[in-house]
Amino acid sequence: GAVVSQHPSRVICKSGTSVKIECRSLDFQATTMFWYRQFPKQSLMLMATSNEGSKATYEQGVEKDKFLINHASLTLSTLTVTSAHPEDSSFYICSARVSGHTDTQYFGPGTRLTVL
Amino acid sequence: AQSVAQPEDQVNVAEGNPLTVKCTYSVSGNPYLFWYVQYPNRGLQFLLKYITGDNLVKGSYGFEAEFNKSQTSFHLKKPSALVSDSALYFCAVRDIKALGRLYFGRGTQLTVWP
Repeated sequence: GAVVSQHPSRVICKSGTSVKIECRSLDFQATTMFWYRQFPKQSLMLMATSNEGSKATYEQGVEKDKFLINHASLTLSTLTVTSAHPEDSSFYICSARVSGHTDTQYFGPGTRLTVL
Repeated sequence: AQSVAQPEDQVNVAEGNPLTVKCTYSVSGNPYLFWYVQYPNRGLQFLLKYITGDNLVKGSYGFEAEFNKSQTSFHLKKPSALVSDSALYFCAVRDIKALGRLYFGRGTQLTVWP
């Protein structure tokens, strides 16, 4: 099956710093990637839809200047949490949709962000 | 608008017994339905999907789901549960318009006890 990786798997940072999370589709091309946030024992909250070569589409209530998304190639999307604060601590998960197959998304293993 | 509902936060079954995790959906148009499983501190793993065709869909790890249009349901089932099936299960429906974004249910924690 299609494989999606995320790096890092876990990151701890100081308040005020920026953190970049990478999402890669390893064996397929993904024109569209999605970024989710998950709080403990809760469902996934879609943050934004990332399209290769264009600006990301953010969900209502998600600050685009705080959560910068770049989808520079068909296999890589990055999420940068700028000026992180403790309330940004969460589990961030990306997914990628196989190009030409619009029905299945494959998820990365997630990144645990802890902001001190 | 598309949505799914998982009415049970928790399902407990004994190993070897059949299990069912419930999901109902609300969509405009034909539904594209999915089941994913999540183990602690991990991303979601795809189990199965219904797009069209047979109402009974078979997926990974012995799971299957039955699409029922009249009841707008897509319950996940397994004939014989394993302790290793214990995890968080999400039902999802795909938006046919918005670049395929998924709408997730709130999740059901399945616990299989030995």
